[in-house]
Amino acid sequence: QVQLVQSGAEVKKPGSSVKVSCKASGGTLSNYAISWVRQAPGQGLEWMGRIIPILGIPNYAQKFRGRVTITADKSTSTIYMELNSLRSDDTAVYYCAGSLGVARFDPWGQGSQVIVSS
Amino acid sequence: DIQMTQSPSSLSASVGDRVTITCQASQDIRKYLNWYQQKPGKAPKLLIYDASNLERGVPSRFSGSGSGTDFTFTITSLQPEDIATYYCQQYDNLPPYTFGQGTKLEI
Repeated sequence: QVQLVQSGAEVKKPGSSVKVSCKASGGTLSNYAISWVRQAPGQGLEWMGRIIPILGIPNYAQKFRGRVTITADKSTSTIYMELNSLRSDDTAVYYCAGSLGVARFDPWGQGSQVIVSS
Repeated sequence: DIQMTQSPSSLSASVGDRVTITCQASQDIRKYLNWYQQKPGKAPKLLIYDASNLERGVPSRFSGSGSGTDFTFTITSLQPEDIATYYCQQYDNLPPYTFGQGTKLEI
């Protein structure tokens, strides 16, 4: 069973960018799609986008289009999510989640806290 | 985009109670609905997929039903360890994959 391990917490200034990583261990990502889901403090889950690593083609939620980039490094089984032009309301825990074939999210990474503050 | 309306937003129940949460889609999503459990500080955990299928290892007191636009999630006999927030999520056709607003379950 693939496990997803994410990078650590980040503190960023408004207007800057953050890049969060999600590394697969214990298996291959070849059959998976990897989505990014965020959760603002005390709020619900919000799907941001996904990538199918073997294809390298991302899909983004309309809300984040133009500001988010999801990439895959197949050689290291690592997925990256970069969010630009950070605002205070981007403060959230960012999760990566794997899905096989259909968007049934399992496994999940442990989450990466991103704090945007001046 | 497909909108998911989940209710109630919070629920207080007692150990042993039967608990029901509903989720309504803004358009027909056939059977393509999942239910997740999230405990504080943890990632969500998949409980039910394709509206009614129990994920391996999940206790049988959890169940799901529905199709089309109306779905139900049930805990038949609430246990203390079931205290969490529950989310529905649709995945009909192409992205975006949207979540319900969540139901916070308290004892």
